[in-house]
Amino acid sequence: QSALTQPPSVSGSPGQSVTISCTGTSSDVGSYNRVSWYQQPPGTAPKLMIYEVSNRPSGVPDRFSGSKSGNTASLTISGLQAEDEADYYCSSYTNSNTYVFGTGTKVTVL
Amino acid sequence: EVQLVESGGGLVQPGGSLRLSCAASGFSFSSYWMHWVRQAPGKGLVWVSRIKSDGTNTGYAGSVKGRLTISRDNAKNTLYLQMNSLRAEDTAVYYCGRGLPGAYGMDVWGQGTTVTVSS
Repeated sequence: QSALTQPPSVSGSPGQSVTISCTGTSSDVGSYNRVSWYQQPPGTAPKLMIYEVSNRPSGVPDRFSGSKSGNTASLTISGLQAEDEADYYCSSYTNSNTYVFGTGTKVTVL
Repeated sequence: EVQLVESGGGLVQPGGSLRLSCAASGFSFSSYWMHWVRQAPGKGLVWVSRIKSDGTNTGYAGSVKGRLTISRDNAKNTLYLQMNSLRAEDTAVYYCGRGLPGAYGMDVWGQGTTVTVSS
């Protein structure tokens, strides 16, 4: 199972919006609304930010939103803040009854 | 407080074995699917394995199938990962994660334990 494809990096100024794409195939992202997104600051464990494409766990700011179209899912961070600087990973359930993560995207706040 | 604490990592020679543990507290462990995820130094997250709440269903990434075995002891609130025939490419931080109840995603993560495979 190949990793889902994410851009290596995105950046934005405080207050701006950034969007991270996550491209898979019809065997994973395209077949299921089972995409989740994780935030991982350096040296820490991942944190769930979005599950099942667009659902936010309690405690996650509504600046974070998710969507999906075809084989590509997206995470949008609106009103970017310095504390949002971290690596972000998407993940999807697959038709092999396994999971696959994305390649990861480093978000930099300028 | 809901918590997962991994242990058992260390330095092991190629071809060797290791058993990782993940101790759960603060929630009803026997009600949740559980996962292992690893991260090689400077690299991204890689899903390794998952196990159903009652231990009757397991799944593995292709790269570890036949060498790594996930299990759990609900009486001890502990998840395990038995690692055999270890290779250099298994070197990573190993995280355990709790599956979301009735949904797909991992909502609680441990701090990770480091496995280094080297001679």
